[in-house]
Amino acid sequence: AAGVIQSPRHLIKEKRETATLKCYPIPRHDTVYWYQQGPGQDPQFLISFYEKMQSDKGSIPDRFSAQQFSDYHSELNMSSLELGDSALYFCASSALQGPTYTEAFFGQGTRLTVV
Amino acid sequence: DAKTTQPNSMESNEEEPVHLPCNHSTISGTDYIHWYRQLPSQGPEYVIHGLTSNVNNRMASLAIAEDRKSSTLILHRATLRDAAVYYCILRGYGGATNKLIFGTGTLLAVQP
Repeated sequence: AAGVIQSPRHLIKEKRETATLKCYPIPRHDTVYWYQQGPGQDPQFLISFYEKMQSDKGSIPDRFSAQQFSDYHSELNMSSLELGDSALYFCASSALQGPTYTEAFFGQGTRLTVV
Repeated sequence: DAKTTQPNSMESNEEEPVHLPCNHSTISGTDYIHWYRQLPSQGPEYVIHGLTSNVNNRMASLAIAEDRKSSTLILHRATLRDAAVYYCILRGYGGATNKLIFGTGTLLAVQP
């Protein structure tokens, strides 16, 4: 079965550079979530989209932005990168089913290293 | 967001049952109880979820207290591959409440 695809899997950037992370949800999933997980920490919710509209916002820095496109894939854009942005970034997707959502499926993550 | 409380770590022996507790005393009537687990360097993986009644699937069972203020994830026969961090998460439905908020989960160690 198709899973959530994230690219790239690994990314190395220098301070003050920009990075773009991509997420391709499971087919027919209309909701995408982004999470950041620092070393030894729990995943932190950044932002989510439903039907191409931002549906919720967590602790996402102003230097980060994201969007969901017409084909439901999503991109997380990160500018003015800082050393503290080094983390695993996970994308998850789910689908609205009646009044509830299906379980969320997570991708394998993008490991971003800022040097 | 309603919070959950889990033990930081637990240990089990291989092929024995494991009971992972979770307290969620501020749960609202529309919160589902979800369990996810995360193996090292992998994305979180869905395990099971429920609302009021106990639930079973191929991975685990979920026992929910009558007052819904606590729940227990049951792994019937632990294997080495079950060693992971287990997260108990309350997830509302609809609108802005469907996100998953990860707290501090339980690190399960499985001894051979």
